[in-house]
Amino acid sequence: DTAVSQTPKYLVTQMGNDKSIKCEQNLGHDTMYWYKQDSKKFLKIMFSYNNKELIINETVPNRFSPKSPDKAHLNLHINSLELGDSAVYFCASSAGPVETQYFGPGTRLLVL
Amino acid sequence: AQSVTQLDSQVPVFEEAPVELRCNYSSSVSVYLFWYVQYPNQGLQLLLKYLSGSTLVKGINGFEAEFNKSQTSFHLRKPSVHISDTAEYFCAVYTSGTYKYIFGTGTRLKVLA
Repeated sequence: DTAVSQTPKYLVTQMGNDKSIKCEQNLGHDTMYWYKQDSKKFLKIMFSYNNKELIINETVPNRFSPKSPDKAHLNLHINSLELGDSAVYFCASSAGPVETQYFGPGTRLLVL
Repeated sequence: AQSVTQLDSQVPVFEEAPVELRCNYSSSVSVYLFWYVQYPNQGLQLLLKYLSGSTLVKGINGFEAEFNKSQTSFHLRKPSVHISDTAEYFCAVYTSGTYKYIFGTGTRLKVLA
């Protein structure tokens, strides 16, 4: 039973393309997050959703648009991909703000 | 503004030796503190957290951390490490009233045989 799943696991694409990453959690959590981890392992929060509502948008370019169709899903759509978008993107969920975050396995995005 | 500093980017240590990974934070309000571990090619998982109460927190895999408010530190310790502890360790701070976690830059623990 995978608690937090992400698809795809790997994504290789050309600059300028549009791509989506899907995230699903089966833990019944109210809060979901997207993080970006760069090549130096630096982890930075991008978005936080609580009960399908956007709580945090950490100065992420407008090319990134999260969508939460229901509490169990938080998808990330990226328009006009750039070289600098290459990173590992992690989805996470938690029962609440100070509760344990459960991370997905990550999506490794490479923009050529 | 809140911040988290992990001074050591890499810590090599021999198997069965003790280890301490340092974490300092800055915040003007109440914070909650976490340590997460990331094994190669995996997502992060929680080792331990401090929310309130006893300043010595015990976590999984024999790790513990001590919250020191006066020194604004939350150092992670293990008395005897194993090869399997080789991983990246992240300290994180959550500020009360937000949904925002700030992670440190990580410390790569490499356990040598």
